Amino acid sequence: SAVISQKPSRDICQRGTSLTIQCQVDSQVTMMFWYRQQPGQSLTLIATANQGSEATYESGFVIDKFPISRPNLTFSTLTVSNMSPEDSSIYLCSVEGLAGVSTDTQYFGPGTRLTVL
Amino acid sequence: RKEVEQDPGPFNVPEGATVAFNCTYSNSASQSFFWYRQDCRKEPKLLMSVYSSGNEDGRFTAQLNRASQYISLLIRDSKLSDSATYLCVVNGGVDYKLSFGAGTTVTVRA
Repeated sequence: SAVISQKPSRDICQRGTSLTIQCQVDSQVTMMFWYRQQPGQSLTLIATANQGSEATYESGFVIDKFPISRPNLTFSTLTVSNMSPEDSSIYLCSVEGLAGVSTDTQYFGPGTRLTVL
Repeated sequence: RKEVEQDPGPFNVPEGATVAFNCTYSNSASQSFFWYRQDCRKEPKLLMSVYSSGNEDGRFTAQLNRASQYISLLIRDSKLSDSATYLCVVNGGVDYKLSFGAGTTVTVRA
């Protein structure tokens, strides 16, 4: 597996503001994803972060609300824009395509716990 | 219908017991299957992949039944440290996307 870090690990934000979450991997990976996990629920895929092109968003998620960057094969950011209390959740990045690891096996970062007041 | 369905539990078992639970999936084209473990307030961690007819890793055994579209996880000789939520994860088959079950909670008591 790889070492995946996320910053910040947690934050408390005011409604209407934006927060950018960073995901860093210690080796190059093919795919990077962003998920949301709301309390007591399972993971929901927000988008696939594509290196060198626009992210691919899942139904119900849009670029204006969740802009994503992926400037290289080891780093991605997710911004939660114009936040409301409904955005309070854990945001997780995951990676796939590690060298020597079966494709479609994903590994997760430690998550960012966001609370919006 | 949800793509992946799990019995949410909780399964409360004494140390040393065997516990087993299933997960069903709706997409017959699915090719890859996984069990992840998630501890409270932590990220999911890969427990084991499940390919072909299933596999075993120490005290954990996963089985795949393609005809009935379910996978199972069996934990033998349960330890206190096995207490967690176990997520069933299935590759959708059409693309690279994974579908997650809501998780089965297991609590092992002393």
